[in-house]
Order: sequence, then C-alpha cells, then structure tokens
Amino acid sequence: NAGVTQTPKFRVLKTGQSMTLLCAQDMNHEYMYWYRQDPGMGLRLIHYSVGEGTTAKGEVPDGYNVSRLKKQNFLLGLESAAPSQTSVYFCASRKSPRTGEEKLFFGSGTQLSVL
Amino acid sequence: GNSVTQMEGPVTLSEEAFLTINCTYTATGYPSLFWYVQYPGEGLQLLLKATKADDKGSNKGFEATYRKETTSFHLEKGSVQVSDSAVYFCALSETSGTYKYIFGTGTRLKVLA
Repeated sequence: NAGVTQTPKFRVLKTGQSMTLLCAQDMNHEYMYWYRQDPGMGLRLIHYSVGEGTTAKGEVPDGYNVSRLKKQNFLLGLESAAPSQTSVYFCASRKSPRTGEEKLFFGSGTQLSVL
Repeated sequence: GNSVTQMEGPVTLSEEAFLTINCTYTATGYPSLFWYVQYPGEGLQLLLKATKADDKGSNKGFEATYRKETTSFHLEKGSVQVSDSAVYFCALSETSGTYKYIFGTGTRLKVLA
C-alpha cells in the first residue's frame, strides 16, 4: 500500500513559470487537502476537495488552482510562480466523515523554490 | 474562527527528561483534538487523538488529555529518547460543515544523548 504519493519531491522554478504538483492516494479516500508549510507558520490550508469533481478554497488559495478529476488524484497548479510561493507543500487525504474516521494521511512533501 | 495555539520552540531536552508541549484551542462546538509528529524529511503522522472531553489519547509513551474547561490538550512524555526528536503539531478537526483540520505552528523537539 503506497498511501499518499506526491510528485515531484523537489523543484526549482523561475518567477513566472508554471507547474503542477500531483498527489495520488490509493486508499479510496473521499477528502483530499493541499497544505503549505512555512517556518513559524505551521501548516496552512490552500485548497481542499470533499469528493471527485469538487474543490474549495482554504486559508491561502491565492495564486493556486486545483483539480480533482479522478477520486485518487488531486492536482495543485501554480500558473505564474512567485518567490512568496517558495515553501514545502504537503498533500493529505482522509475518509469521509460519515465513516467516523478522522485520521489524516500525509504525503512526504514537495520542496519548491521560486527564484 | 477555530484556532490552535502551541508553545514556541525549539525545546531541547536531555535523554530521559520529562516533556511537556502546551497546546490550547479555540473552537465552536466539540472538535476532535490531535497530535501529529513530523520526522525530518517526512510528512506528518498521527501520534494520538482524543474525541471528547476528558478523553486521554496515548501512543508510544506520549499522552494528552482533552481538557474542555481549560481548552487545552498538552502533550506529555515521561522519559524522552533521542529518537523522539521531531516537530510536533497540535491540531483540531472541525466536526461539522467543512470538516477541516486546523494546525498549530509546530514545536521542534531536540533530544540530546
């Protein structure tokens, strides 16, 4: 069981470039999340999805877009990267709250630097 | 809105010392409370949880009790090991509406041999 897999693990971009981060989970989870982790600020929610075909904004959505075309995949896009988007990005997933299971499963992260 | 506040780090302890990491929360309703741990270069992993007032979560020698009267969920361990060196995050899960998680800023623990 792979769990939550994020690709790529590292990336360096120039200001204005675009890229997509891929998150894949093999646990048939309904809910998926994208967080960014910055020193002294903990984890901040960028966007999340409560099911295939749905997305919603989190705490810091500006400059990012997401798509959930397939239940197992949650893509995070940066259309025009800015240095302020230098961060470590984590994807997470969980079962539907209807199951009573609340545990979040995290990927190992993507370290992104924007020069 | 809901929020989680945890003590600033880093916390540096000698092996076998007692550990406390403070966490308080603000929430409407009755959230579930969690401690997650992040080892270097890895994603977060669930350490323990509590779902209602006076519940005690425990795992790997770590404990935390859900205190509704003080809105706290402090993490404790009686005797830390070098292998416990990591970043610890307190979090709450909203139990209605969007079911989002709110995380604290994290506390880095370094245990010296």
